[in-house]
Order: sequence, then structure tokens, then C-alpha cells
Amino acid sequence: AQSVSQHNHHVILSEAASLELGCNYSYGGTVNLFWYVQYPGQHLQLLLKYFSGDPLVKGIKGFEAEFIKSKFSFNLRKPSVQWSDTAEYFCAVRAPNAGNMLTFGGGTRLMVKP
Amino acid sequence: DAGVIQSPRHEVTEMGQEVTLRCKPISGHNSLFWYRQTMMRGLELLIYFNNNVPIDDSGMPEDRFSAKMPNASFSTLKIQPSEPRDSAVYFCASSFLAGGALAKNIQYFGAGTRLSVL
Repeated sequence: AQSVSQHNHHVILSEAASLELGCNYSYGGTVNLFWYVQYPGQHLQLLLKYFSGDPLVKGIKGFEAEFIKSKFSFNLRKPSVQWSDTAEYFCAVRAPNAGNMLTFGGGTRLMVKP
Repeated sequence: DAGVIQSPRHEVTEMGQEVTLRCKPISGHNSLFWYRQTMMRGLELLIYFNNNVPIDDSGMPEDRFSAKMPNASFSTLKIQPSEPRDSAVYFCASSFLAGGALAKNIQYFGAGTRLSVL
């Protein structure tokens, strides 16, 4: 089945550590890619997106993601995390011919220890 | 812009009761999505509408669930009768789908309704 996979379900880091969250998808063709963040008790907010062009995408709060088409991946990175980055992170893909639908990964819960 | 507005924010009800969740999408958006989030199953798409018409309801768990969008500015998700396993956070999201700019639309989420069925 076509899917979006986030392999790390829980990640615990200390402040100032570097972060990389994996996201892989199984759709062929042209896809649109998104990372959403959900802070504790809040709704999902868009962190960054990729539609076309430069495969290295810069988002808010120092986050970036790199689209590697050959690996079907869109990993999220941040060089130095802060306690306030504690949240759940969701990768989402708009597959070809999916209309307006997004398929979300299972999410990764990040805890940053002060 | 006020964003996507959902009500109520919290709902506590007893098993067997009817529950109605409400959503007001962002003005001008023509696509609306209902999601359910639980610890066990994560974020699931229940149904989505384009121009008030249901496009895909394959995620609706069973006949107890129904969703309507009578106009472009309002949608409801109803559960009748409710069961304890329906306890979850229900999110509504909206986006603007333009014919030539499919790649550009982004989903914006509401704050969610936390439903507890006792």
C-alpha cells in the first residue's frame, strides 16, 4: 500500500543537540511534501513545504528539510534544538492524482530536555 | 483572518448520546477536511469536501458517523450514537483548491475538539 513512514516514533534530545527526523514515502511521480508540528495541546501548524525547485527547504524556527527524490525521503533537520521544540512532528505527502488529500505519517514525538 | 474555527473545544458525553462537532473554515477556502487523532491510530482522515460536496468519505469509521457541509462556511460531524471508542481529538482543516494551482494549496487546521465519551 502507498504510505508515508516516520520511522522514529519517539526521540529524546538534550538542548543544543542536532535533530534529524526521517520521512519516507512510497508514491511515484510528482509529490508535494509537508512537515507539520503539533505543540502539546495545540493544533497542527505548517512547519515547511516542498512543491518544486530547490530540494533544500527552509522553514520556520530554524527548521529545514531536504527532498531526496531517489530515496523517496523528506527528512526534517535542525542544527540545535531548544526545549520549546518539544512537540509532535508529522510528515505529509500529497500524492499524484490524490486531488487535495494529504496522507500523514504516524508522527514523531520529540522531547527536548533542558 | 480568524483561521479555522471549531466548536466546542471540549465535549464530554455519555455513551449513546448524539454528538455534533462544528467547523467554520477559513473564508474563501473551498476544501474542508475532518480528521480524528488518537494515541493508537494517530491522525486519520475521515472525510473531505470540495465546494461543499463530499469527495472521499472512505475514512468514516461506520454508519454512526455522518458529515455535512450545507454551505461554504459551515460543516458538521455527527456521531449518533456515540461510543467510548469514539473518544479522540477531532480536527477540521481547510484549504483553497484552485484548478491550475493544485500544488500550492496548504491545509490549515483548527484547534480541535476533544471528545470524551463515558
